Formats: sequence, structure tokens, C-alpha cells
Amino acid sequence: AQKVTQAQTEISVVEKEDVTLDCVYETRDTTYYLFWYKQPPSGELVFLIRRNSFDEQNEISGRYSWNFQKSTSSFNFTITASQVVDSAVYFCALSETSNQAGTALIFGKGTTLSVSS
Amino acid sequence: EPEVTQTPSHQVTQMGQEVILRCVPISNHLYFYWYRQILGQKVEFLVSFYNNEISEKSEIFDDQFSVERPDGSNFTLKIRSTKLEDSAMYFCASMEEQGLDDSEGTYGYTFGSGTRLTVV
Repeated sequence: AQKVTQAQTEISVVEKEDVTLDCVYETRDTTYYLFWYKQPPSGELVFLIRRNSFDEQNEISGRYSWNFQKSTSSFNFTITASQVVDSAVYFCALSETSNQAGTALIFGKGTTLSVSS
Repeated sequence: EPEVTQTPSHQVTQMGQEVILRCVPISNHLYFYWYRQILGQKVEFLVSFYNNEISEKSEIFDDQFSVERPDGSNFTLKIRSTKLEDSAMYFCASMEEQGLDDSEGTYGYTFGSGTRLTVV
């Protein structure tokens, strides 16, 4: 069975603080993909990153960075110098490749990030 | 940038009525999906569609639900007899190709903006 756990339900920070959103996953597959999505108050799902299970390199994109550690089955997301516009719900998701014809994304419950000025 | 388009953005329907939610995936994409999100909860997979047939479906996707790609561009989700608990945001998604070994980390499912379904 596959499962994605985002233990932090809500996080509140003040602008310019760094914040890390945790994601722990479970899967029996050796090949899988991990994702992060942002859901702003407007409701749409915005793709942030995809990582495959064979690439444990950390990724940095502007103020965003991701730390993928297979040893701890974690794929954590850090926002550096947070801004009010970062306020949103962030979802971590997992996709296995055992079914090549359209594998489902399994989402965590999401972490609500509130950034105040 | 190509988008997945969903219509309507909000639909209110009476319990027991049929609804059809519409999606126009990105034109060169091959895999299509429906997900739903009950208010305040996580996003849940409903169904995936490839090569004009369902490839995977969840327990949520019971006989009340059906999907269709009637004309090669639209991808629809039909709920035959809506229930109050069907009230949710429904997201359509598409993907170009499954299983790319892309380590750049910039490839993923593209979601539409969602249809908020309210059953009264």
C-alpha cells in the first residue's frame, strides 16, 4: 500500500522566516515519483516539482528547495525567506510506476501555510 | 503555456440530478484523470483514462460515475444521480506520457482549475 503523510496540519510564520514542510511516504515499488503541489486560496493546484526515485539530488528553484532522502522516505520542502504570497495549502503526492497506463497520484492531507507580514 | 480547461467553474444541482463536468485536456496529452477534493480535505483520485478506456479507478468511482472522451478533445465526468456527499471540487488532469525518466524535476501532471460541485 502506498501512503503519504504530512504530519504538519498548519504552520504559521512571519515574512522572511524560513519554513520546512515535511513529507514522509510509503511504497513497495522501487520506481516511483514524488510531487509537491501548491493550492492557493483560489483553489487551483499548481505543480511545483516532480522527483523520481532514482534521483536523490536536492533541488533548488529560487526560494524553494527540496530534500529527498530515500533512507528516511522523506521529501521535504523548504521555503526560504517566506512571503505572504506563499500562503497556501501544500500537498505532497506519490505516484508509482507499476501501472504504466495511468498511475494515480496519492496525495497527503496537505499542510496549510500562513505567512503574515 | 498550455492549460487544462474545466467548465463550469461552479455548478449547483439538486440531489438526484445528473451532472456532467467537462474538461479539455492539453492537446498532445495521452493520459487523463479525475480527482476530487471535499472541502478542507485532501485530493483523492477517482479515475484514469488512457487509449479510450479506463485504466485505473478508485473505490470512490462507483457505478454512479462514468467518464467519456466523446470527440477527441473533451473529457467528461458524469455523475448519474448526485448525492449530498458528492459536493466537492472536481479536478481534471492530463499528462503527456507516463513513466518518463526525467530527473530535471520539471515534469508532472497538469491540473485544471477545478469545478466546484454543490449538491443541494
